[in-house]
Amino acid sequence: AQTVTQSQPEMSVQEAETVTLSCTYDTSESDYYLFWYKQPPSRQMILVIRQEAYKQQNATENRFSVNFQKAAKSFSLKISDSQLGDAAMYFCAPLRGATNKLIFGTGTLLAVQP
Amino acid sequence: DGGITQSPKYLFRKEGQNVTLSCEQNLNHDAMYWYRQDPGQGLRLIYYSQIVNDFQKGDIAEGYSVSREKKESFPLTVTSAQKNPTAFYLCASSRSGTGYEQYFGPGTRLTVT
Repeated sequence: AQTVTQSQPEMSVQEAETVTLSCTYDTSESDYYLFWYKQPPSRQMILVIRQEAYKQQNATENRFSVNFQKAAKSFSLKISDSQLGDAAMYFCAPLRGATNKLIFGTGTLLAVQP
Repeated sequence: DGGITQSPKYLFRKEGQNVTLSCEQNLNHDAMYWYRQDPGQGLRLIYYSQIVNDFQKGDIAEGYSVSREKKESFPLTVTSAQKNPTAFYLCASSRSGTGYEQYFGPGTRLTVT
């Protein structure tokens, strides 16, 4: 079974600083996709960033970027210039390519200190 | 505005009653999904549908049922057979095919007493 590990239940960062959230996963598939979603207190799940496993280049979306290490099955999220609105639960979610099913980790709760 | 709506936001039911959660999307997506979220856990897939009139069980389908009669709608029924139905339920949709991102609705908090 595919598993996802987010080893940091909680993280804290100062406003304007940089923070990295870690994620490792296990998969036997060669073609797959990886996502980070954030869930603020409203509980709406919001897509943060998407990475295709066949691409070596790390995805970037404004202040959000990933460090994708395919051989190590690692997919960390870096948030630069952290803002108060970044405070949320962040979920790493690989997608099973064959069935299009997302597998969610248990999440990392990020607090942003002013 | 395109998006996914779920109603109601909060739902209360007595044990032993079936309850149906609504999910509607106007994104013209073929695929729709239902997830359950419990405290301290990530989302777990209940059912998904890649096309109208077809759906498949996810990882925790026992005690739930769905229908997909229209492209825009994917209602979820929580039956009395579901042993622990109190949870936060999220509906999502995506384009069909491999690798497309899923977009989520605002969720329904179901409390069964």
